[in-house]
Amino acid sequence: EVQLVESGGGLLKPGRSLRLSCTASGFTFTDYALSWFRQSPGKGLEWVGFIRIEAYGGTTEYAASVKGRFTISRDDSKNIAYLEMNSLKTEDTAIYYCTREHSYGYRSDYWGQGTLVTVSS
Amino acid sequence: DIQMTQSPSSLSASIGDRVTITCRASQSIGSYLNWYQQTPGKAPKLLIYAATRLFSGVPSRFSGSGSGTDFTLTISSLQPEDFATYYCQQTYSVPRTFGQGTTVAIK
Repeated sequence: EVQLVESGGGLLKPGRSLRLSCTASGFTFTDYALSWFRQSPGKGLEWVGFIRIEAYGGTTEYAASVKGRFTISRDDSKNIAYLEMNSLKTEDTAIYYCTREHSYGYRSDYWGQGTLVTVSS
Repeated sequence: DIQMTQSPSSLSASIGDRVTITCRASQSIGSYLNWYQQTPGKAPKLLIYAATRLFSGVPSRFSGSGSGTDFTLTISSLQPEDFATYYCQQTYSVPRTFGQGTTVAIK
């Protein structure tokens, strides 16, 4: 069974940093890109970014709203993806989801349950 | 960035109704269009990928059509568990953008 479990969310002040983790199981981790999405309270879905598999250089892409502040990485030996968030702003408050991205259609076919990040002074 | 526009933003329907949601892209995206369903407090679930392909385990009452800029999600006979918010997403290019969502409520 494919599972993705996010962790690391919490309450913190603007300007601080936080690292989220996404622990995967039930599939060959190295075969899939990993994506992060977020959803602010009562709002729609927003793509944050993704990391490709090592065969494609493990390169990353980011939304303009987080580029330069957020970094996605992966540890293929542990089946974990990370979202490092720096210089957090109040508008980063959201539930953060990680997903497995299938190469056919680049679909996010499995989602974690999400972890809440609240940025407030 | 490619803009995705869904319509309607919300609708009310009864059990057994046929429901259609449309999604328009600001430029051609081929068939790089996915549909997700989200119920309150839960993570989104993939319903349709590549515009027309039903994801594993999704009931056959869901179907997708379209290519280029205009796409449709159809629920042939609405069931109680289908009351939710539906999002389209383009994966043709980065950033991967979503429509604003369509909430399907009970009439």
